[in-house]
Amino acid sequence: DTGVSQNPRHKITKRGQNVTFRCDPISEHNRLYWYRQTLGQGPEFLTYFQNEAQLEKSRLLSDRFSAERPKGSFSTLEIQRTEQGDSAMYLCASSKNIGQENQPQHFGDGTRLSIL
Amino acid sequence: DAKTTQPPSMDCAEGRAANLPCNHSTISGNEYVYWYRQIHSQGPQYIIHGLKNNETNEMASLIITEDRKSSTLILPHATLRDTAVYYCIVRVGSNFGNEKLTFGTGTRLTIIP
Repeated sequence: DTGVSQNPRHKITKRGQNVTFRCDPISEHNRLYWYRQTLGQGPEFLTYFQNEAQLEKSRLLSDRFSAERPKGSFSTLEIQRTEQGDSAMYLCASSKNIGQENQPQHFGDGTRLSIL
Repeated sequence: DAKTTQPPSMDCAEGRAANLPCNHSTISGNEYVYWYRQIHSQGPQYIIHGLKNNETNEMASLIITEDRKSSTLILPHATLRDTAVYYCIVRVGSNFGNEKLTFGTGTRLTIIP
């Protein structure tokens, strides 16, 4: 168990540019989640996948945001035409859920995005 | 998911037990109590969860009141590495389909040498 891996750890970009983050979940975890965290606040849910299917999206996920998990393993989160307000820590989590078992989500250390 | 209330900050002396309270008076019968912590510049770390029975693992103990309206996370022998923000979250079981964790602002626990 190598834990949830996120890349890059830090990303600095100019306003208006597109950025893409990658998350590699814990092996055999079928659920993958994206959260966003701004300074002084707790993480906020963005979206989650079960295998390759995106099952829920928060209203925080504007049209400029898109997430994919094409083969049910790693996931990418893309932000198009970045804005100052997109500056935040983007966190990925994964869990293994089978039937009615309530399993905890395990988080990576996030990608910190700074918009200049 | 039910709302939780936690004190914004607490101090605890190194080596002593740290007791972190959480109120969740509107919790439903199918909602679990989860605790996570977040050390600066890291992602949240899962600590423990429970439904109605007290739980213990290698990190901590979780005491849930009989009416389930409040709980306490106990770190039995706090060390400096336990300094972090601790989040108490209530969440429905997986079979109800609501998968997200709703974080508040948590309790900032500082372990004093």
